[in-house]
Amino acid sequence: SAVISQKPSRDICQRGTSLTIQCQVDSQVTMMFWYRQQPGQSLTLIATANQGSEATYESGFVIDKFPISRPNLTFSTLTVSNMSPEDSSIYLCSVEGGPGVEFFGPGTRLTVL
Amino acid sequence: GENVEQHPSTLSVQEGDSAVIKCTYSDSASNYFPWYKQELGKRPQLIIDIRSNVGEKKDQRIAVTLNKTAKHFSLHITETQPEDSAVYFCAAPQVGGYNKLIFGAGTRLAVHP
Repeated sequence: SAVISQKPSRDICQRGTSLTIQCQVDSQVTMMFWYRQQPGQSLTLIATANQGSEATYESGFVIDKFPISRPNLTFSTLTVSNMSPEDSSIYLCSVEGGPGVEFFGPGTRLTVL
Repeated sequence: GENVEQHPSTLSVQEGDSAVIKCTYSDSASNYFPWYKQELGKRPQLIIDIRSNVGEKKDQRIAVTLNKTAKHFSLHITETQPEDSAVYFCAAPQVGGYNKLIFGAGTRLAVHP
């Protein structure tokens, strides 16, 4: 499976600020995904990021709040904008490893004060 | 769209016992069913998956069974060990376009020595 890294691994931010999370994979992948996992909860898909096209957002998530970049086949960023304490969560990227198969990055634990 | 329900939400067993986690899905076109294990503070790890052309798949102490008619699939762990303690998530794809995964709510398994 692909080796996936995320930066930062954790951060504590002030409300009203923005944080950009990076996801790097060691091989070229077509599809990358961004998830949110709130404490004790399941995985909720924020958006799908394909290289060369706009990200596709799930219901309840908008580009102004969670802008995504996908400049090449090994890298993506997710920005959490104008943060509030409700944005405190773990943010995970994943990559497609085969038809339907997803492998996850280590996650970014975000705390908003 | 796809809906995945997972039961039970918590499961406590004695070391050496078996554990069974069940999931149901709604989209009869779904054809891929992965199971992820997430240890505390770690990323979800794919532990086993099954495609709709088989009814059962085994990998050492874990197995997954699929009943397409009833639209449910189950994870079976035999001879449980304390290191099996984790949260387990099932998933199924929402078929159409890109097959994004829809995750169950998770099962917290505790294996007591």
